[in-house]
Amino acid sequence: GIQVEQSPPDLILQEGANSTLRCNFSDSVNNLQWFHQNPWGQLINLFYIPSGTKQNGRLSATTVATERYSLLYISSSQTTDSGVYFCAVRNTDKLIFGTGTRLQVFP
Amino acid sequence: DTGVSQDPRHKITKRGQNVTFRCDPISEHNRLYWYRQTLGQGPEFLTYFQNEAQLEKSRLLSDRFSAERPKGSFSTLEIQRTEQGDSAMYLCASSSTGTSGGYNEQFFGPGTRLTVL
Repeated sequence: GIQVEQSPPDLILQEGANSTLRCNFSDSVNNLQWFHQNPWGQLINLFYIPSGTKQNGRLSATTVATERYSLLYISSSQTTDSGVYFCAVRNTDKLIFGTGTRLQVFP
Repeated sequence: DTGVSQDPRHKITKRGQNVTFRCDPISEHNRLYWYRQTLGQGPEFLTYFQNEAQLEKSRLLSDRFSAERPKGSFSTLEIQRTEQGDSAMYLCASSSTGTSGGYNEQFFGPGTRLTVL
């Protein structure tokens, strides 16, 4: 089956710093989603991005499907950005998740 | 539209007991998914429905697990004879059918955290 790898596994930042999270996948996919899981376990949709680039405020994402990777950019990080970031790819009807990047932002 | 809801949010049970979880999807969504997430891992697919039809089940879904979506609206996930290894967060998601029968973005509920003692 498709393998999804995320890097780095852990990231510690000071408030105001920028960061880039990476998601590699092993096969062609129908689409890709990025999520933020908050400390209570809720998965919050960030981007639905099978290809191209999207921006939403301080966050942006780029997926290069032909090279099988996606990047999530966080600029001017805030403490509320802390949590785990997952990418998930869709192959047929289900999402396959990576193991996540745990982000901690300190004031 | 209040999003995907799940009930209960937390469940503590003793080994060997049966438990049932409920998921209410976003009202216009015809697809409903169940995932399981253990500590430190990403969610893993369990099963999904299109309307009332259960179209796929993961091998993770042992014979002790059963899911239903009787009227194509809410869904229930039952675990019989619970084991300590069933302790996890159970997540429900929903989506609508995309153009040409494709697959749209999935939206997740808050999850039910199960602890088996």
